[in-house]
Amino acid sequence: DAGITQSPRHKVTETGTPVTLRCHQTENHRYMYWYRQDPGHGLRLIHYSYGVKDTDKGEVSDGYSVSRSKTEDFLLTLESATSSQTSVYFCAISERMPNNSPLHFGNGTRLTVT
Amino acid sequence: GQQLNQSPQSMFIQEGEDVSMNCTSSSIFNTWLWYKQDPGEGPVLLIALYKAGELTSNGRLTAQFGITRKDSFLNISASIPSDVGIYFCAGQLTGGGNKLTFGTGTQLKVEL
Repeated sequence: DAGITQSPRHKVTETGTPVTLRCHQTENHRYMYWYRQDPGHGLRLIHYSYGVKDTDKGEVSDGYSVSRSKTEDFLLTLESATSSQTSVYFCAISERMPNNSPLHFGNGTRLTVT
Repeated sequence: GQQLNQSPQSMFIQEGEDVSMNCTSSSIFNTWLWYKQDPGEGPVLLIALYKAGELTSNGRLTAQFGITRKDSFLNISASIPSDVGIYFCAGQLTGGGNKLTFGTGTQLKVEL
């Protein structure tokens, strides 16, 4: 798991409530990513960060926000959870460019929105 | 967005058989990656390919970066029960945050 810890590992929440997922890395890698994994869709990028306080949107960013106040932590927030956000969320990290370094993934957070 | 077509979607093979799966894209990538995911865990990198035409092995696994840069394949020789899992291809472009585009996965089941 390349020094990546996701918390919580499982969460059940109600529609309309805010939810924050945390990713913590011990590798001092510059890039961090949030993906969601759904049946039939593989993994899709939500947001990513290329440095402290530097973030950008991925392909499925609507309804999500992120923050990166320090190198080791990348937070994903659902301001008002919806049932369509029920998914498994994966954090990933990679080293500084231009080494074309592969992404390494955490073990995921399973989120259920009822 | 970009789409990666991965095939087959699932495979059910006998232990000891060789396995082949592939991934095609409508766009060019600079890097192709192959990951394996076990239940309840995140994807784990198997092989990374950085040059068109490159053929790389990792134990019983062999992968190639297609010459057109729009495809890649993964072969597993002499499959064993622990090969069971979901295999994902992913294409990566240099720049723009090293973002990956994933295929939808090939589920491999091995019959003893």
